[in-house]
Amino acid sequence: DTEVTQTPKHLVMGMTNKKSLKCEQHMGHRAMYWYKQKAKKPPELMFVYSYEKLSINESVPSRFSPECPNSSLLNLHLHALQPEDSALYLCASSQADLLALSYNEQFFGPGTRLTVL
Amino acid sequence: SQQGEEDPQALSIQEGENATMNCSYKTSINNLQWYRQNSGRGLVHLILIRSNEREKHSGRLRVTLDTSKKSSSLLITASRAADTASYFCATPTSGGNKLTFGGGTRVLVKP
Repeated sequence: DTEVTQTPKHLVMGMTNKKSLKCEQHMGHRAMYWYKQKAKKPPELMFVYSYEKLSINESVPSRFSPECPNSSLLNLHLHALQPEDSALYLCASSQADLLALSYNEQFFGPGTRLTVL
Repeated sequence: SQQGEEDPQALSIQEGENATMNCSYKTSINNLQWYRQNSGRGLVHLILIRSNEREKHSGRLRVTLDTSKKSSSLLITASRAADTASYFCATPTSGGNKLTFGGGTRVLVKP
Protein backbone atom coordinates (compact mmCIF):
# COMPACT_ATOMS: atom_id res chain seq x y z
CA ASP A 1 0.00 0.00 0.00
CA THR A 2 1.70 3.18 -1.22
CA GLU A 3 -1.11 5.54 -0.44
CA VAL A 4 -1.62 8.34 2.02
CA THR A 5 -5.30 8.90 2.77
CA GLN A 6 -6.87 12.03 4.17
CA THR A 7 -10.35 12.66 5.51
CA PRO A 8 -12.49 14.55 4.99
CA LYS A 9 -11.97 15.70 1.39
CA HIS A 10 -13.84 18.94 2.04
CA LEU A 11 -14.65 20.71 5.29
CA VAL A 12 -16.64 23.87 5.93
CA MET A 13 -16.55 25.21 9.46
CA GLY A 14 -17.47 28.30 11.40
CA MET A 15 -14.98 30.26 13.45
CA THR A 16 -16.31 28.78 16.70
CA ASN A 17 -16.28 25.16 15.58
CA LYS A 18 -13.86 22.42 16.57
CA LYS A 19 -12.97 19.92 13.89
CA SER A 20 -10.18 17.47 13.08
CA LEU A 21 -8.38 16.45 9.94
CA LYS A 22 -7.13 12.89 9.70
CA CYS A 23 -4.28 11.32 7.79
CA GLU A 24 -3.26 7.66 7.54
CA GLN A 25 -0.45 5.74 5.88
CA HIS A 26 0.56 2.08 5.97
CA MET A 27 3.94 2.30 4.28
CA GLY A 28 5.88 2.02 7.53
CA HIS A 29 7.06 5.60 7.24
CA ARG A 30 8.22 7.12 10.51
CA ALA A 31 8.10 10.77 9.43
CA MET A 32 4.77 12.51 8.85
CA TYR A 33 4.04 16.09 7.86
CA TRP A 34 1.29 18.70 7.70
CA TYR A 35 1.40 21.38 5.02
CA LYS A 36 -0.88 24.32 4.26
CA GLN A 37 -1.30 25.43 0.66
CA LYS A 38 -3.04 28.55 -0.60
CA ALA A 39 -4.17 28.85 -4.20
CA LYS A 40 -1.34 29.20 -6.73
CA LYS A 41 1.28 29.01 -3.97
CA PRO A 42 3.66 26.23 -2.95
CA PRO A 43 2.91 24.09 0.11
CA GLU A 44 4.12 25.59 3.38
CA LEU A 45 5.34 23.26 6.08
CA MET A 46 3.41 23.40 9.36
CA PHE A 47 4.52 20.42 11.45
CA VAL A 48 6.84 17.43 11.25
CA TYR A 49 6.54 14.29 13.35
CA SER A 50 9.50 11.98 13.46
CA TYR A 51 9.07 8.62 15.20
CA GLU A 52 5.78 9.89 16.64
CA LYS A 53 7.41 12.89 18.27
CA LEU A 54 6.89 16.48 17.16
CA SER A 55 10.22 17.56 15.70
CA ILE A 56 9.31 20.75 13.84
CA ASN A 57 6.62 23.36 14.49
CA GLU A 58 6.94 26.20 12.02
CA SER A 59 5.56 28.80 14.44
CA VAL A 60 2.02 27.70 13.69
CA PRO A 61 -0.75 29.43 15.71
CA SER A 62 -2.07 27.37 18.62
CA ARG A 63 -5.50 27.13 17.01
CA PHE A 64 -3.87 24.32 15.01
CA SER A 65 -2.97 21.36 17.22
CA PRO A 66 -1.28 18.28 15.73
CA GLU A 67 -1.42 14.81 17.19
CA CYS A 68 0.31 11.58 16.21
CA PRO A 69 -1.48 8.73 18.04
CA ASN A 70 0.67 6.03 16.41
CA SER A 71 3.09 5.51 13.56
CA SER A 72 0.30 5.29 10.96
CA LEU A 73 -1.97 8.14 11.99
CA LEU A 74 -1.65 11.89 12.06
CA ASN A 75 -4.37 14.29 13.13
CA LEU A 76 -4.71 18.04 12.95
CA HIS A 77 -7.17 19.49 15.46
CA LEU A 78 -8.72 22.81 14.51
CA HIS A 79 -10.30 25.30 16.90
CA ALA A 80 -11.37 28.91 16.56
CA LEU A 81 -10.00 29.26 13.05
CA GLN A 82 -10.04 32.45 11.02
CA PRO A 83 -11.26 32.89 7.42
CA GLU A 84 -7.64 33.34 6.31
CA ASP A 85 -6.99 29.76 7.42
CA SER A 86 -9.06 28.57 4.47
CA ALA A 87 -6.69 26.51 2.34
CA LEU A 88 -5.79 23.03 1.12
CA TYR A 89 -4.23 21.04 3.97
CA LEU A 90 -1.87 18.33 2.83
CA CYS A 91 -0.50 15.43 4.79
CA ALA A 92 2.66 13.62 3.72
CA SER A 93 4.88 10.83 4.95
CA SER A 94 8.41 9.65 4.26
CA GLN A 95 11.00 7.16 5.39
CA ALA A 96 13.27 8.52 8.07
CA ASP A 97 16.75 7.41 9.00
CA LEU A 98 17.67 9.25 12.16
CA LEU A 99 21.24 7.98 12.19
CA ALA A 100 21.97 9.20 8.69
CA LEU A 101 19.71 12.24 9.05
CA SER A 102 18.36 11.06 5.74
CA TYR A 103 14.83 11.78 4.67
CA ASN A 104 13.72 10.62 1.30
CA GLU A 105 10.92 11.60 -1.03
CA GLN A 106 7.60 12.43 0.52
CA PHE A 107 4.30 10.78 -0.34
CA PHE A 108 1.36 13.14 -0.24
CA GLY A 109 -2.31 12.59 0.42
CA PRO A 110 -4.98 14.25 -1.76
CA GLY A 111 -5.57 16.97 0.81
CA THR A 112 -8.51 18.42 2.71
CA ARG A 113 -10.03 21.58 1.23
CA LEU A 114 -10.92 23.68 4.28
CA THR A 115 -13.24 26.67 4.18
CA VAL A 116 -13.67 28.79 7.31
CA LEU A 117 -16.75 30.99 7.32
CA SER B 1 11.47 32.60 2.59
CA GLN B 2 11.64 30.11 -0.22
CA GLN B 3 14.74 28.00 -0.62
CA GLY B 4 14.00 27.41 -4.29
CA GLU B 5 12.87 29.82 -6.94
CA GLU B 6 11.48 28.56 -10.21
CA ASP B 7 11.14 30.00 -13.65
CA PRO B 8 9.15 30.43 -15.65
CA GLN B 9 6.13 30.86 -13.39
CA ALA B 10 3.91 29.64 -16.22
CA LEU B 11 4.46 27.81 -19.48
CA SER B 12 2.06 27.05 -22.32
CA ILE B 13 3.05 24.57 -25.03
CA GLN B 14 1.51 22.35 -27.68
CA GLU B 15 1.25 18.60 -27.21
CA GLY B 16 4.41 16.92 -28.45
CA GLU B 17 6.68 19.85 -27.57
CA ASN B 18 9.25 19.78 -24.81
CA ALA B 19 8.84 21.75 -21.58
CA THR B 20 11.79 23.02 -19.58
CA MET B 21 11.64 24.65 -16.17
CA ASN B 22 14.42 25.81 -13.90
CA CYS B 23 14.95 25.95 -10.16
CA SER B 24 17.53 27.90 -8.20
CA TYR B 25 18.28 27.43 -4.53
CA LYS B 26 20.33 29.23 -1.92
CA THR B 27 22.03 26.88 0.51
CA SER B 28 23.98 23.65 0.09
CA ILE B 29 21.86 20.55 -0.34
CA ASN B 30 22.28 16.80 -0.33
CA ASN B 31 19.44 16.24 -2.75
CA LEU B 32 16.83 18.10 -4.80
CA GLN B 33 13.40 16.76 -5.57
CA TRP B 34 10.76 17.52 -8.18
CA TYR B 35 7.03 17.12 -7.60
CA ARG B 36 3.94 17.47 -9.77
CA GLN B 37 0.56 18.71 -8.59
CA ASN B 38 -2.60 18.43 -10.61
CA SER B 39 -5.13 21.15 -9.90
CA GLY B 40 -6.26 21.12 -6.28
CA ARG B 41 -4.83 17.70 -5.53
CA GLY B 42 -1.90 16.25 -3.62
CA LEU B 43 1.66 16.34 -4.86
CA VAL B 44 3.27 13.41 -6.62
CA HIS B 45 6.99 12.80 -6.31
CA LEU B 46 8.65 12.68 -9.74
CA ILE B 47 12.37 12.37 -9.25
CA LEU B 48 15.12 12.86 -6.66
CA ILE B 49 18.63 13.83 -7.69
CA ARG B 50 21.47 13.67 -5.18
CA SER B 51 24.17 16.29 -4.88
CA ASN B 52 26.78 13.98 -6.39
CA GLU B 53 24.67 13.38 -9.50
CA ARG B 54 24.59 15.70 -12.49
CA GLU B 55 21.76 14.21 -14.52
CA LYS B 56 18.96 11.73 -14.00
CA HIS B 57 16.27 10.30 -16.24
CA SER B 58 12.88 8.80 -15.53
CA GLY B 59 10.72 8.00 -18.54
CA ARG B 60 10.11 11.30 -20.37
CA LEU B 61 11.66 13.30 -17.54
CA ARG B 62 15.22 14.53 -17.46
CA VAL B 63 16.62 16.39 -14.46
CA THR B 64 19.96 18.12 -14.24
CA LEU B 65 21.71 19.51 -11.19
CA ASP B 66 24.52 22.06 -11.14
CA THR B 67 25.66 22.49 -7.54
CA SER B 68 28.21 25.14 -8.50
CA LYS B 69 25.38 27.34 -9.80
CA LYS B 70 22.88 26.09 -7.23
CA SER B 71 20.40 25.30 -9.96
CA SER B 72 18.41 22.43 -11.40
CA SER B 73 16.28 21.95 -14.48
CA LEU B 74 13.40 19.64 -15.31
CA LEU B 75 12.77 18.71 -18.92
CA ILE B 76 9.58 16.97 -20.00
CA THR B 77 9.95 15.55 -23.50
CA ALA B 78 7.12 14.90 -25.96
CA SER B 79 4.56 16.50 -23.64
CA ARG B 80 1.00 15.25 -23.38
CA ALA B 81 -2.19 16.99 -22.28
CA ALA B 82 -2.02 14.89 -19.10
CA ASP B 83 1.25 16.66 -18.19
CA THR B 84 -0.77 19.81 -17.50
CA ALA B 85 0.00 20.53 -13.85
CA SER B 86 2.12 22.63 -11.51
CA TYR B 87 5.68 21.48 -11.02
CA PHE B 88 7.65 22.23 -7.86
CA CYS B 89 11.27 21.77 -6.96
CA ALA B 90 11.98 21.09 -3.29
CA THR B 91 15.08 20.92 -1.16
CA PRO B 92 15.49 19.37 2.28
CA THR B 93 16.94 21.57 5.02
CA SER B 94 17.28 21.50 8.81
CA GLY B 95 18.82 18.06 8.98
CA GLY B 96 16.80 16.75 6.10
CA ASN B 97 13.27 16.48 7.38
CA LYS B 98 12.12 19.94 6.37
CA LEU B 99 11.25 20.14 2.68
CA THR B 100 11.09 23.67 1.28
CA PHE B 101 9.34 24.16 -2.03
CA GLY B 102 10.03 26.58 -4.82
CA GLY B 103 7.28 28.81 -6.15
CA GLY B 104 6.32 26.33 -8.87
CA THR B 105 5.86 26.41 -12.62
CA ARG B 106 2.34 26.04 -14.00
CA VAL B 107 2.48 24.07 -17.24
CA LEU B 108 -0.40 24.00 -19.71
CA VAL B 109 -0.14 21.48 -22.54
CA LYS B 110 -2.64 22.22 -25.27
CA PRO B 111 -3.94 19.31 -27.37
